[in-house]
Amino acid sequence: QQQVKQSPQSLIVQKGGIPIINCAYENTAFDYFPWYQQFPGKGPALLIAIRPDVSEKKEGRFTISFNKSAKQFSLHIMDSQPGDSATYFCAASRTGGFKTIFGAGTRLFVKA
Amino acid sequence: NAGVTQTPKFRILKIGQSMTLQCTQDMNHNYMYWYRQDPGMGLKLIYYSVGAGITDKGEVPNGYNVSRSTTEDFPLRLELAAPSQTSVYFCASSYGPREPDTQYFGPGTRLTVL
Repeated sequence: QQQVKQSPQSLIVQKGGIPIINCAYENTAFDYFPWYQQFPGKGPALLIAIRPDVSEKKEGRFTISFNKSAKQFSLHIMDSQPGDSATYFCAASRTGGFKTIFGAGTRLFVKA
Repeated sequence: NAGVTQTPKFRILKIGQSMTLQCTQDMNHNYMYWYRQDPGMGLKLIYYSVGAGITDKGEVPNGYNVSRSTTEDFPLRLELAAPSQTSVYFCASSYGPREPDTQYFGPGTRLTVL
């Protein structure tokens, strides 16, 4: 019940394409769903996050879609650029809980 | 604010040696975490702390120890290093407990055990 399942494991898209990364969770007590971006040799950093009371959140070219009934959420990157090449982690946590549960990560490569 | 700082950046250990990875945060965060990330893999939680003097095991605690005597510092101790501990180690912190758990990560320590 504590798992967050992330897919795909890796993804290659052309510049300008729209990569989509999907995550699924089981614990309905989770109330915060962040995405982290990690460049090679660096630590992960918060990219965008959503609460379950909204179905979509956009920040620049990054959009989270959230489906509470299906217990799924996804990250879309519009007009992807080579600089978006990184590993992306979805995550879930419960406010007041002690731990964030991370997905296994998706390695994205955007071809120029 | 420097955020989360980790030292050293790189280290090579021989089998059986010990070392301490240092982690400091200047954001007055209550929660702190240690993760390891093997090449091409995800994050595995080693230990975490919800405040000074309080620590608990994560999913892969064997071979490691932690302490948290202050809010700012959360060192990770490796005793009797083994090749299986070759990894990149990340320290992270978050506000907790009444805030969404946005974690702030340090730059990592790359450890090789030969």
